[in-house]
Order: sequence, then C-alpha cells, then structure tokens
Amino acid sequence: DGGITQSPKYLFRKEGQNVTLSCEQNLNHDAMYWYRQDPGQGLRLIYYSQIVNDFQKGDIAEGYSVSREKKESFPLTVTSAQKNPTAFYLCASSALEKGSGANVLTFGAGSRLTVL
Amino acid sequence: DAKTTQPPSMDCAEGRAANLPCNHSTISGNEYVYWYRQIHSQGPQYIIHGLKNNETNEMASLIITEDRKSSTLILPHATLRDTAVYYCIVRVASRWTSGSRLTFGEGTQLTVNP
Repeated sequence: DGGITQSPKYLFRKEGQNVTLSCEQNLNHDAMYWYRQDPGQGLRLIYYSQIVNDFQKGDIAEGYSVSREKKESFPLTVTSAQKNPTAFYLCASSALEKGSGANVLTFGAGSRLTVL
Repeated sequence: DAKTTQPPSMDCAEGRAANLPCNHSTISGNEYVYWYRQIHSQGPQYIIHGLKNNETNEMASLIITEDRKSSTLILPHATLRDTAVYYCIVRVASRWTSGSRLTFGEGTQLTVNP
C-alpha cells in the first residue's frame, strides 16, 4: 500500500539535544511538508520541499532543519535552538493534479516529541 | 491565500446530516476550497475539494455558493467515527508546482452524539 511512514511515533529527548524525525513516502509525490501541532491548535508549516535538493521555510522554521536528498525522504531535525520543541509533528506529501492544478496532501500518522 | 472562518465547534446527532460552514469572503477566482479532517492524535485526512461547482464523493458533499464567498461540507449520515476536527482551507491552484504553503487554521470540532 502506498503511503507515508513517520518514525518514531513517540520520542523523548533531553533539553539541548538534537533529534531527527524520519518521513518516507512511496507515493512518488514531488512535494513534501512538515507541520507542527500544539495541543488544541491547528497545524503550522515548518518547511516544505517541491523537488529534490530544494526546500523552503514555512511559517515557523526557526530551530528546525531539513534535507531532501531523495524524492522519497524528507527528514526533520529539531535542534537545541528550538525553544519549545514538545509537540506533535506531521509529515505530508502531495502531487499535482495535472488537469486542474489542485494540490491534495496525504499525511503520515505523526511523531510525538516530548522534551524532558 | 484567502482567510477562512469556521465555527470552533458543532454538535450533530448520529444518523443525521452534519453541515459544516466555512466563510472565505476574500477568495479569488483561481483558489480552490479544500476540506480535511483530523481524528484525535492522527494525521489529517483529505475529504474533498472544489473550485466553483458542487462536488460529491463517497465521504461528503461540498456546496459552494455562487459568489464563492462561503461553502458547506455535508456529511449526509454522520456516525460516531465522524467525530473530528474539520479544516477548511483555501489555496490557489498551480499548474506549475506541486508544493505550496497550505495553511491550516483551528478548524471546527464536530462531535457526533449517539
């Protein structure tokens, strides 16, 4: 089955440590995204990538880094510079609907990061 | 992108139709309306999208007003499993790139009651 796999599902880290969240898709989608969600709130865009070896900052990129070396993979590193990293992180991917130009996102199940 | 406004919460009786409104009064002619939902602690799930015509699929119907300034997502026979946060998003169509800054607001918490 095609889809998006995020790992780990749950992650604990100590303050001052970097941590990398994995996101892999087998949907052959060109674009990939990372969102952050805090309790009771909507999703906020961290980074997105339209094509391999290219990515753009979203609305809350400070303290995060990404890479896009392969079409299938878009890992997110939460660095020690991120002041409040405890959150639910969601990865998504999308392909262009060629006829209409519409853009439908497929999401992974999420990774919950807790900083101790 | 046009801003959307949704009620923070709604209730619906099981088996009845759930009608979720969304206001997008500043929408432009080339912007699509998308609906997603998020069941607690899961990733959001795509439901439906439309430009100006009404749309229907196996999950829901999307009714867009003639002036395109508002829309309604209809779940025709709501079940307890439809309890979720529903997000209405407006985004310009792009024929050139598949990536875009799709922004999610706080959505509507729909609670389906037995």
